[in-house]
Amino acid sequence: NAGVTQTPKFQVLKTGQSMTLQCAQDMNHEYMSWYRQDPGMGLRLIHYSVGAGITDQGEVPNGYNVSRSTTEDFPLRLLSAAPSQTSVYFCASTSYRTTTDTQYFGPGTRLTVL
Amino acid sequence: GENVEQHPSTLSVQEGDSAVIKCTYSDSASNYFPWYKQELGKRPQLIIDIRSNVGEKKDQRIAVTLNKTAKHFSLHITETQPEDSAVYFCAASFFYDKVIFGPGTSLSVIP
Repeated sequence: NAGVTQTPKFQVLKTGQSMTLQCAQDMNHEYMSWYRQDPGMGLRLIHYSVGAGITDQGEVPNGYNVSRSTTEDFPLRLLSAAPSQTSVYFCASTSYRTTTDTQYFGPGTRLTVL
Repeated sequence: GENVEQHPSTLSVQEGDSAVIKCTYSDSASNYFPWYKQELGKRPQLIIDIRSNVGEKKDQRIAVTLNKTAKHFSLHITETQPEDSAVYFCAASFFYDKVIFGPGTSLSVIP
């Protein structure tokens, strides 16, 4: 199992550009989520999904879109990048059906918006 | 919505001493409380978690306690070692929906 994978690892954008951060998991997890982590701050929930076709907003959803067409993939789209979106983005997944309850995180994408 | 506060923001302890990190949550419906450890430049990893039907849980040198009435829970690390140095995050959620994290505690263990 590759676990949770994220691409790209690093990205530099100009203000106003759009892009998609990819997240995939091969553990057949129902629940997936996106967080952003800013220096000195915790992980803030952007969007999450409890299953294919179902998404919901987290704490800081503005400026981001998500979709969940398959169980495996949960891409995060930045519609029009702004410097305030400079951050490290983590994708995570977990399953309701296991006993370990662990939320597995991907390695992160470091995004810089100029 | 849920709000999680965490204290202290930084903590320094001598090797071998104990470390305690405290968190409070606002939503009385929350029933799942995980703790994550994040080393510099790495992803967060779960170290222990507790559900609302349990008051305390231990795993070797790590323990978590939960007070549902006061809506707070704590992480206890005993016999601290230099490799315990990291940022620790608490979180709260209703099952797995909207897992909300605290701002983190940077723990330094001084040899």
